[in-house]
Amino acid sequence: AQSVSQHNHHVILSEAASLELGCNYSYGGTVNLFWYVQYPGQHLQLLLKYFSGDPLVKGIKGFEAEFIKSKFSFNLRKPSVQWSDTAEYFCAVVGSGNTGKLIFGQGTTLQVKP
Amino acid sequence: KAGVTQTPRYLIKTRGQQVTLSCSPISGHRSVSWYQQTPGQGLQFLFEYFSETQRNKGNFPGRFSGRQFSNSRSEMNVSTLELGDSALYLCASSLGFGTGSGEQFFGPGTRLTVL
Repeated sequence: AQSVSQHNHHVILSEAASLELGCNYSYGGTVNLFWYVQYPGQHLQLLLKYFSGDPLVKGIKGFEAEFIKSKFSFNLRKPSVQWSDTAEYFCAVVGSGNTGKLIFGQGTTLQVKP
Repeated sequence: KAGVTQTPRYLIKTRGQQVTLSCSPISGHRSVSWYQQTPGQGLQFLFEYFSETQRNKGNFPGRFSGRQFSNSRSEMNVSTLELGDSALYLCASSLGFGTGSGEQFFGPGTRLTVL
């Protein structure tokens, strides 16, 4: 079955700490991978995406993610978090031939303490 | 470029009633997908419409249906509402074809409360 698993449900960090959120997926075939962010009171926004090519992708606000095909993983990283990064983060996968059906992980709530 | 818009933003219904939610995609996008977001189940795919045809369907009962119009606007309908249908319903639009077609842009959602 197609699925996405996010390792951490709730993460609390202090400002300037480094962040890594784990994401593993189960999907037979070529995939496109995404991280979305949902700030309090706002709608889902795309943080970064991987379609092909360089497995290290950079997104907005200093976020990056690395696609490791052999591990079916797409972990999100940021070297130094800010209070404004407090939000819920979702990893998602879509089969390259199934363009409209995103499968989401359960989400990780990140709380950054000032 | 205007984003994805959804109406209404909030809705309160009672069990047994039906409801229709509307979504206007980004101009030029031909694919519209619908998702249900709840604290317990997270984000779950309902269905996708592309060029007025349902292209993908999730694991939801037949009470959940949708359609897409020639201008790519989409509606979803839930009949015989149940308490468990209370959720945030999200609409997302994308090009629907070609490289990068999987990138979806989300609307603010419609918060449905069933009493």
